[in-house]
Amino acid sequence: QKEVEQNSGPLSVPEGAIASLNCTYSDRVSQSFFWYRQYSGKSPELIMSIYSNGDKEDGRFTAQLNKASQYVSLLIRDSQPSDSATYLCAVNPGGGSGYSTLTFGKGTMLLVSP
Amino acid sequence: KAGVTQTPRYLIKTRGQQVTLSCSPISGHRSVSWYQQTPGQGLQFLFEYFSETQRNKGNFPGRFSGRQFSNSRSEMNVSTLELGDSALYLCASSPGHGDYNSPLHFGNGTRLTVT
Repeated sequence: QKEVEQNSGPLSVPEGAIASLNCTYSDRVSQSFFWYRQYSGKSPELIMSIYSNGDKEDGRFTAQLNKASQYVSLLIRDSQPSDSATYLCAVNPGGGSGYSTLTFGKGTMLLVSP
Repeated sequence: KAGVTQTPRYLIKTRGQQVTLSCSPISGHRSVSWYQQTPGQGLQFLFEYFSETQRNKGNFPGRFSGRQFSNSRSEMNVSTLELGDSALYLCASSPGHGDYNSPLHFGNGTRLTVT
């Protein structure tokens, strides 16, 4: 059973702080990794993808991947109240057939207080 | 470019009935995946279709089925509804051409309530 684990939270941070969200996965051969944001009552929206070890930055967001430790993280700098949402970590195990199947963690709820 | 479109947005059904949900993918996307989301279990994979063929299937009972048409539009059907089927059903599309780095793009979902 391929698993993706996230701390359910809530993670509470003050406005302007750095929020750090973590995710571990069980399938060592997993190939690609995604972070989705989901507001209450809405559908998930993609905010970051990462495929290689190291950091990837996009605006206030930085994704970090460590395949040896099977660990993915998302840092949100200068957190805003509008960042309050559930953040879903998703993993694609890859494979030669190119299946478009992601395994999702249950998500971490982030609360940013003004 | 239009996003993923799911219809209807809301459904209320009675136990024992069946339901059909519809999904139109982003233009040019040939892969359509379906997920069930509940507060307790999170997002769980139902199945994925590519070029009218089911390529992958999650661990759901046979009451859950789907199909894909030649224009890549997809439907999922749930027969003999149970209370536990109440959930948000999400459809997602991707190009599907063997590139596992392509993310999924989600529709707004169909909220199914079974009474």
